[in-house]
Amino acid sequence: EVQLVGSGGGFIQPGGSLRLSCAASGFTVSSNYMGWVRQAPGKGLQWVSLFYTGGTTYYADSVKGRFTISRDNSKNTLYLQMNGLRAEDTAMYYCAKFSRMGYFDYWGQGTLVTVSS
Amino acid sequence: ERVMTQSPATLSVSPGERATLSCRASQSVSSSLAWYQQKPGQAPRLLIYGASTRATGIPARFSGSGSGTEFTLTISSLQSEDFAVYYCQQYHNWPPITFGQGTRLEIK
Repeated sequence: EVQLVGSGGGFIQPGGSLRLSCAASGFTVSSNYMGWVRQAPGKGLQWVSLFYTGGTTYYADSVKGRFTISRDNSKNTLYLQMNGLRAEDTAMYYCAKFSRMGYFDYWGQGTLVTVSS
Repeated sequence: ERVMTQSPATLSVSPGERATLSCRASQSVSSSLAWYQQKPGQAPRLLIYGASTRATGIPARFSGSGSGTEFTLTISSLQSEDFAVYYCQQYHNWPPITFGQGTRLEIK
């Protein structure tokens, strides 16, 4: 059974950093495309980042240069390093398995990031 | 960037009735369109991909149609567990990956 368990969210002041983790089971992260999607409180879904099997990464313009996606194959875990956090980054962050065709077929439960002074 | 627009923002339907949700793309996305369901406090769940193919375990009352720029998600006979927010997402040309703003399906 595919499972994605996100963690690492919390309350952080503007300008601070957080690293989100997403532990996968039931499949191998390194053999699959993976991504992060966020959802601000009461708002819709916003794509954040993608990590391809070969190591290619993509970012939404709103986070480019501040966020870094990575993975640890030995831990079967995906990460999102978030630096220079802003109030508008406040959201639930979902990790998701991304099918090679281009849609998210499995989602984690989300981890909440709140950026506020 | 392809902009996805969903309508209506909120749809009120009685249990047992049919619900029809729309999604429009600013440029053709061929059949590269997915639908997701999100219930309060839960992560989204994939319902439909390829505009009309149901994901694993999705009941047959959910159906998708359309191609190009106009798409429809139909729920043939609404069950209580179907009241949720529904999002469309295009994957014809990415990145960026773009979602519609969502349609809230509520009980009438």
